Formats: sequence, C-alpha cells, structure tokens
Amino acid sequence: AQSVTQLDSHVSVSEGTPVLLRCNYSSSYSPSLFWYVQHPNKGLQLLLKYTSAATLVKGINGFEAEFKKSETSFHLTKPSAHMSDAAEYFCVVSESSAGNQFYFGTGTSLTVIP
Amino acid sequence: DTGVSQDPRHKITKRGQNVTFRCDPISEHNRLYWYRQTLGQGPEFLTYFQNEAQLEKSRLLSDRFSAERPKGSFSTLEIQRTEQGDSAMYLCASSLGLGTSSEQYFGPGTRLTVT
Repeated sequence: AQSVTQLDSHVSVSEGTPVLLRCNYSSSYSPSLFWYVQHPNKGLQLLLKYTSAATLVKGINGFEAEFKKSETSFHLTKPSAHMSDAAEYFCVVSESSAGNQFYFGTGTSLTVIP
Repeated sequence: DTGVSQDPRHKITKRGQNVTFRCDPISEHNRLYWYRQTLGQGPEFLTYFQNEAQLEKSRLLSDRFSAERPKGSFSTLEIQRTEQGDSAMYLCASSLGLGTSSEQYFGPGTRLTVT
C-alpha cells in the first residue's frame, strides 16, 4: 500500500533562515516521489521529483530534496526562506502498480516571518 | 497559456441538484486525472483516463459520480443529486507518458459548494 506522512502540519520560519519540510512514505515498489506547492487560489505547481536517478534532487526556486530509502524519507529543504515561499506544500508518492495515481500527504503550511 | 483549464472555477448549487465540471488538459497529454480536495487535506484520487478509456475509479467515486473523456480530449465530471458532503475543490490533472515518473500538471480547480 502506498501512503505519505507529512510530519508537520505547520512550519514557521524567519525570512532568510533554512526551511525543512518532512515527508515519510510507504510503498511496496520503487516509488516516484514529488513535492508540489499550492499558493492561495492557485493551482498545484511541481517543485521537484525523484525517479530513481540521483538521490539528491534539485527543484525550482532553490528547493531540493533527498531520497533516503533506508529511512523512507523525502524531506524538502531550502537554505534561505523568502516571503514568497509561504504556501501549502504537498509530498506525493506514485507507483506504477497503482495506475500512476498520486497519493498526497495532508500538506504542510509554511509561514515565513519577515 | 496552454496549461490545464477547468470550468467553472466556482459552483454553488442546492442539495439534490446535478452539476457538471469540465477539464481541458494540455493538448498532447494522454492521461487525465480527477482529484477531490477538502479543506485542510491533500487531494484524493477519484479516477483517471488514458486517452478515452477510464482505467481506474476510486471507491470515493460513488454511483452519483460519473466521468467521461470523449475522444480522449476534454473530460467532464458529473455529480448527480448533490449532497452537502460533496462540497470540495475538484482538481483535474494531465500527464504525458506511462511511467510513474510522469509529473502531473494541475488545473486551478472547481470549487463546489452545496447548500
């Protein structure tokens, strides 16, 4: 069975400080993992994806994530938060056995304090 | 802009009425997905199409829900005899390819409010 657990429902950081959004997954097969961002009143936007190539994945806007199979984790990081990073972030797992449908976590709301 | 579009963006209806939503995917994408998102939750899978064939349906998709994708282009999602529990954001996504690595591109969603 596939599932995603986002360990923090809300994260608050000061502008210019590092961001860490945590995600653990459960998958029976070799999964693909994604991070999406959802700004208020806007559609979901892909930040980055892991597809069994390099375990450290770089995405847009300075975000990156590291796939750790032994820990079943795919945490999202950014060295320095900007005000524009404030949004809802979703970790997603996808498996071919599940018709490539996406399984979303419950989301982490990121607040950036000026 | 050639992204995924959805219409309408907002729909308010009374309980018991039927509603239909439309999704226009990115033109060359062969897969189309429908998800439902309620407040404070991540999107949940409803159904998906590969070209015109509906290949999988979630158990969330009750008998009152039906989806079509004629000619493998746009898709419609109809909800019959709406209930208050149907109030949610309905998201459409499309992707190209068959692999799990294919990212999905999402539309802005249709927000349904059932009164």
